[in-house]
Amino acid sequence: NAGVTQTPKFRVLKTGQSMTLLCAQDMNHEYMYWYRQDPGMGLRLIHYSVGEGTTAKGEVPDGYNVSRLKKQNFLLGLESAAPSQTSVYFCASSPLAPVTSRTGELFFGEGSRLTVL
Amino acid sequence: AQKITQTQPGMFVQEKEAVTLDCTYDTSDQSYGLFWYKQPSSGEMIFLIYQGSYDEQNATEGRYSLNFQKARKSANLVISASQLGDSAMYFCAMREVYRGSTLGRLYFGRGTQLTVWP
Repeated sequence: NAGVTQTPKFRVLKTGQSMTLLCAQDMNHEYMYWYRQDPGMGLRLIHYSVGEGTTAKGEVPDGYNVSRLKKQNFLLGLESAAPSQTSVYFCASSPLAPVTSRTGELFFGEGSRLTVL
Repeated sequence: AQKITQTQPGMFVQEKEAVTLDCTYDTSDQSYGLFWYKQPSSGEMIFLIYQGSYDEQNATEGRYSLNFQKARKSANLVISASQLGDSAMYFCAMREVYRGSTLGRLYFGRGTQLTVWP
């Protein structure tokens, strides 16, 4: 029962390098999200997707791009990494949930720790 | 402006005592969902409890209950009979409505670090 899987779990980059974080979910969820977590800041939404082929900006989108070519995958790209992007990145997914639903929680991956030197 | 405010960066409670973690939220929507997540030192995000804005009764899940006061826009988490394993970071979060009928983006507060001592 995999749920939400993020790869890689750890990565060290040099300033200016590029990389892609992969998120895969096997629950057939419509919604997928990328968050970053920094000390004292909670989790902040970078980008999200409400379905295959759609993406939207969150609270802190600058410096990141995303793609959702397949429903089960949500990719987060850093084209030119900066030290300010050193963080723990979480992917999450959720099904469509009506406002009257008794649930509606997001299911999170284990996180990916990225260090940019 | 922050959508979720958690005013307690850290809280301490003795084992077996109850503790309340504060959360206030800001939204102009009539429909929304409120959540609490736990993040232990191992880092994973664990869903604890959910309250829908339409729910008139406070949500409960085992030792967790959510004190929902809609008019005051507060959604405090109450943990009864604290255990050492409850020591963790706790996040309050809110999902706004997407296109009027489904839950959409989830916004988090900055968290409260709870320490349970023997």
